[in-house]
Amino acid sequence: KAGVTQTPRYLIKTRGQQVTLSCSPISGHRSVSWYQQTPGQGLQFLFEYFSETQRNKGNFPGRFSGRQFSNSRSEMNVSTLELGDSALYLCASSSSARVASYEQYFGPGTRLTVT
Amino acid sequence: GNSVTQMEGPVTLSEEAFLTINCTYTATGYPSLFWYVQYPGEGLQLLLKATKADDKGSNKGFEATYRKETTSFHLEKGSVQVSDSAVYFCALSDYNQGGKLIFGQGTELSVKP
Repeated sequence: KAGVTQTPRYLIKTRGQQVTLSCSPISGHRSVSWYQQTPGQGLQFLFEYFSETQRNKGNFPGRFSGRQFSNSRSEMNVSTLELGDSALYLCASSSSARVASYEQYFGPGTRLTVT
Repeated sequence: GNSVTQMEGPVTLSEEAFLTINCTYTATGYPSLFWYVQYPGEGLQLLLKATKADDKGSNKGFEATYRKETTSFHLEKGSVQVSDSAVYFCALSDYNQGGKLIFGQGTELSVKP
């Protein structure tokens, strides 16, 4: 079974621009979560989608948004980029959004650099 | 709120040494506990998990026991290898918050030959 894939793997953007990152979950998984990883803040939860509905949201400004499509693929969008948005963005998929014991499987991440 | 605290790194060991990485948690409910590992330039890989008190998770020679009385989930391995060099993250997931994972700050492990 193919793992979680994320595109693109690397991205360089300028302050003020917007960016869209894509995540394809493991086949059959309907839950997709997004995390931001930075050296200073560590791994922080952004949001979670299940069956095209946002089920949970972390403490990030409204510039960060996401969506999920009927095939469970997900995208996240960051508008009006700031230097502090430079990070590794990780996507994880799971077979359930409501069972805490279910494993989440992570993709390789998208490295976003904002200049 | 829920939180996870890990011992600070980096941790440097010689090959075949014993490894312990401490992890303690705070949770209002009955969390599931996980250890993830991140190799350079890669995403996170699930190493092991435990879903209830006294459960022991194990994988690839690593093990951790869910201790509710001490709110701990320490990672151990009897004999580390150079290939174990990576960053290790302790995490919890609480039913009340769906699948949201709360991570510790990570512990970098470096194993020297």
